[in-house]
Amino acid sequence: TQLLEQSPQFLSIQEGENLTVYCNSSSVFSSLQWYRQEPGEGPVLLVTVVTGGEVKKLKRLTFQFGDARKDSSLHITAAQPGDTGLYLCAVDNYGQNFVFGPGTRLSVLP
Amino acid sequence: EPEVTQTPSHQVTQMGQEVILRCVPISNHLYFYWYRQILGQKVEFLVSFYNNEISEKSEIFDDQFSVERPDGSNFTLKIRSTKLEDSAMYFCASIIPGSTLNTEAFFGQGTRLTVV
Repeated sequence: TQLLEQSPQFLSIQEGENLTVYCNSSSVFSSLQWYRQEPGEGPVLLVTVVTGGEVKKLKRLTFQFGDARKDSSLHITAAQPGDTGLYLCAVDNYGQNFVFGPGTRLSVLP
Repeated sequence: EPEVTQTPSHQVTQMGQEVILRCVPISNHLYFYWYRQILGQKVEFLVSFYNNEISEKSEIFDDQFSVERPDGSNFTLKIRSTKLEDSAMYFCASIIPGSTLNTEAFFGQGTRLTVV
């Protein structure tokens, strides 16, 4: 079983639409990161959420950490083609390594 | 802005050959990692390195793999005898632990390894 699950696996939407992607686990984490990865590039950190129930906004992106610190969501408002990429959640596995979810591949069509 | 740099960006090698992938982590960072990502698949942890020794490694990181930090700046991943299935993007990452609640990893741009 995977430590982190992400849904949906693939998402294709039109420019201007809203979307939400999810990261879920049965484990509790002290923090969770969201990364975006473009083809041929390394993951780039978007945000770290730490407190249960925390909501962080980054322009049109809204990140939420579940109250129980087991899950997180990423909501994008008015998606743009530049938002296209692989969205990865990751958790710090007790300071030993970062474990990544399988990712949600987002395609925003103009 | 400080960044993690990796060289080469792309390496093609024959099966059975040795390759060395190089990384220069951010200078004041303390923990270093190698990850790999097979095309279209998830980012997989290989190994973490702290205080000049391996702190954790995954099942993928078998005897064919080794890491070292020979000169205090470079962090290398060596694959002794490459196999076709080693073809992947290899990412180096480094962190400076903040509080135990808030560590953030910075990734290099990756090395695309193609084994033929």
